[in-house]
Amino acid sequence: EVQLVESGGGVVRPGGSLRLSCAASGFTFDDYGMSWVRQAPGKGLEWVSGINWNGGSTGYADSVKGRFTISRDNAKNSLYLQMNSLRAEDTALYHCASHSGSYYGYGMDVWGQGTTVTVSS
Amino acid sequence: DIQMTQSPSSLSASVGDRVTITCRASQGISNSLAWYQQKPGKAPKLLLYAASRLESGVPSRFSGSGSGTDYTLTISSLQPEDFATYYCQQYYSTLLTFGGGTKVEIK
Repeated sequence: EVQLVESGGGVVRPGGSLRLSCAASGFTFDDYGMSWVRQAPGKGLEWVSGINWNGGSTGYADSVKGRFTISRDNAKNSLYLQMNSLRAEDTALYHCASHSGSYYGYGMDVWGQGTTVTVSS
Repeated sequence: DIQMTQSPSSLSASVGDRVTITCRASQGISNSLAWYQQKPGKAPKLLLYAASRLESGVPSRFSGSGSGTDYTLTISSLQPEDFATYYCQQYYSTLLTFGGGTKVEIK
């Protein structure tokens, strides 16, 4: 079964850090680009960051550039999101998703159920 | 960044109705557009990509069209399981962006 499972969410104070992980199974992970997409409570979808199949190309939304870092470990079939200098507006459910090609410039055809990040003092 | 504007933001429709949702990009995106369906408490599901190509397993009542900056998602005959929120997303730019969503509710 094709599956993505996120972990690492939690409650953190403003200015703090968290590292999210996404474990992939059931498909050839290193063939596909990956992204993180978040959804604030009651709001729409926001793309956060993407990475190509070998980690050689990455992209970030303006709202997180310079604070978040995406990475992947193909040997471990895992995707990561290091989040620093967290703000209240980063509070959201964070999904990882795989793209239908080797780059993150395609549709996202597999999604995880998400991990919740709450930034609050 | 490429801005994606969806309309309407919500609509009420009955089972069997034909429903059309529009997505407009702030610049041309050369059909680099995906549509997603999201139900409450669930992850989004890919419906179409490349503006008009149906994802495997998606019912044929869903279709997409458009070019340049203007794109449309059509549900030919709305079914009970189609009540959900729909999002468009462009992947023409390396900064991916979603539309604000269209909530399809039962009339």
